[in-house]
Amino acid sequence: DAGVIQSPRHEVTEMGQEVTLRCKPISGHDYLFWYRQTMMRGLELLIYFNNNVPIDDSGMPEDRFSAKMPNASFSTLKIQPSEPRDSAVYFCASSPTQGTGKWYFGAGTRLSVL
Amino acid sequence: DAKTTQPPSMDCAEGRAANLPCNHSTISGNEYVYWYRQIHSQGPQYIIHGLKNNETNEMASLIITEDRKSSTLILPHATLRDTAVYYCIVRASSSGNTPLVFGKGTRLSVIA
Repeated sequence: DAGVIQSPRHEVTEMGQEVTLRCKPISGHDYLFWYRQTMMRGLELLIYFNNNVPIDDSGMPEDRFSAKMPNASFSTLKIQPSEPRDSAVYFCASSPTQGTGKWYFGAGTRLSVL
Repeated sequence: DAKTTQPPSMDCAEGRAANLPCNHSTISGNEYVYWYRQIHSQGPQYIIHGLKNNETNEMASLIITEDRKSSTLILPHATLRDTAVYYCIVRASSSGNTPLVFGKGTRLSVIA
């Protein structure tokens, strides 16, 4: 398996623009998590899904952020409109239901909002 | 989930054992200790986990004290590629796939 795949790896955009980050989990994994990492706040959970259904989105900063999982093999995290304070590395992770805590993280998307 | 305390940074000479401590004095009986690491510019990577017995795999060893209030991750022969931030996370076994909560971790620098 190729692991968790995120795209793009780097995104540079201007304030006010819409940004869409993408994630393909490992096949057979039915949990998917979105994290954000900044120097100040470390790794923060934004939202997670189980069987494509959002379970907890309490970490989503505000209404500008939205996430979807239309099927088991794809998820998106959208920011509209983007702001400079959204600049961070966004990670996606997946795990199977019968997990042992062994999660698999993607390589991340580094977002810069100018 | 119980809170963990780790030193912010450590150095280790290449080829020597790296011993990374973690304090989890409020751990409860059904909580596991997990270790992940994050190499610069990469996503976190699972290393090892355990409940009460010591564990070993191809990456590292995990030593948990008898009272389970602390643990040590051991990298037996550290290499430059082991330079990373190491996270100790305590998580209940019954929490299924509830999210991992990452603290600040320990920044390990392996020095040639």
